[in-house]
Amino acid sequence: SQTIHQWPATLVQPVGSPLSLECTVEGTSNPNLYWYRQAAGRGLQLLFYSVGIGQISSEVPQNLSASRPQDRQFILSSKKLLLSDSGFYLCAWSVYRERNTIYFGEGSWLTVV
Amino acid sequence: AQSVTQLDSQVPVFEEAPVELRCNYSSSVSVYLFWYVQYPNQGLQLLLKYLSGSTLVKGINGFEAEFNKSQTSFHLRKPSVHISDTAEYFCAVTGIGGSQGNLIFGKGTKLSVKP
Repeated sequence: SQTIHQWPATLVQPVGSPLSLECTVEGTSNPNLYWYRQAAGRGLQLLFYSVGIGQISSEVPQNLSASRPQDRQFILSSKKLLLSDSGFYLCAWSVYRERNTIYFGEGSWLTVV
Repeated sequence: AQSVTQLDSQVPVFEEAPVELRCNYSSSVSVYLFWYVQYPNQGLQLLLKYLSGSTLVKGINGFEAEFNKSQTSFHLRKPSVHISDTAEYFCAVTGIGGSQGNLIFGKGTKLSVKP
């Protein structure tokens, strides 16, 4: 069965510091990968998705970037964090046959102070 | 474009009582519909989904939902809730043939089950 791992689970970072959140999927190949953000009272927002290595689509302009260096690895980064980047970040995946169904990881809490 | 409205932000119920969490959507194209559950400090878990076929969909943990195209609704129900069902529930929609990952989520309904 497929599993998704996301880390770190909790992160407290000062304003202006860099960010790196990592996500890996096991048990499948060639998944579509996604980064969502869940901010308090604002629901879930799709930030990035990737259909293959090196292929990244951004849904909203922001202070963040994403990379996919390997088939099952997805990284969310920032060079300089803002207070508004605080939130709960969720990595997710889907497979070609079930492109319409997205499965989520456990999430990472980011607090920018 | 699609949108989702979850009509209740919070729903308190007593244990063993029935519950209905309401979800309405709008879309100019046909849709797929989903319910996810989020326990405190955890990611989202898929409860059930409607893709096609029978409008009554059964999911995990005894939940079910009914797709009503004329009323553009996809309400979630459970005949008897447990304390362990306390969580936040999200309805989501995607247009058939839409871009990858374009799941539009409602703002969530917090279900609180009291003993």
